[in-house]
Amino acid sequence: AQTVTQSQPEMSVQEAETVTLSCTYDTSESDYYLFWYKQPPSRQMILVIRQEAYKQQNATENRFSVNFQKAAKSFSLKISDSQLGDAAMYFCAYLGAAGNKLTFGGGTRVLVKP
Amino acid sequence: EPEVTQTPSHQVTQMGQEVILRCVPISNHLYFYWYRQILGQKVEFLVSFYNNEISEKSEIFDDQFSVERPDGSNFTLKIRSTKLEDSAMYFCASSARQGARTEAFFGQGTRLTVV
Repeated sequence: AQTVTQSQPEMSVQEAETVTLSCTYDTSESDYYLFWYKQPPSRQMILVIRQEAYKQQNATENRFSVNFQKAAKSFSLKISDSQLGDAAMYFCAYLGAAGNKLTFGGGTRVLVKP
Repeated sequence: EPEVTQTPSHQVTQMGQEVILRCVPISNHLYFYWYRQILGQKVEFLVSFYNNEISEKSEIFDDQFSVERPDGSNFTLKIRSTKLEDSAMYFCASSARQGARTEAFFGQGTRLTVV
């Protein structure tokens, strides 16, 4: 079974600064997908960024980028120029090639200080 | 922008009672999911549903749980006899296709409190 681990329960960042959230996963599959979801206080799950395992190039979405290290099974999220609206829980998630269910990590709470 | 809608936003129920959580997926989506998040814990997969049948379910999804799509638009999760440990946030999600090439859209969740 796949597992996803987020080792940082909480991270604090100054507004306009950069914060990096770590995520590691365990799988025996070679083809899979990885995601970062944001969960603001409203509790809705919002997709931030996705990465396909067969792509070597790291995904980027505006201020959000990932560092995908397939051999190390690591998938970190970098938030640049942090804004107050970035404050939320962030979940790393894994989806196998069959694409039937997401496996989530335990989450990292991001606090943004003005 | 189309969205997944869940009702109610908060449900309080007595232990042992039946509860039905409702979801209206995005209209042209074909795959439907329920996830659960116990307070302070990770989001856990419960069940996926396609073509009017369950395609996969987790260990959590025991005989107390059932899902159905009664009228082609709603997608419901029923818990027959609720237990205290069923208290959680329940998220419905839908996607147009299976796999990561299409995004799974999540609803805003239903907070279930069993007392």
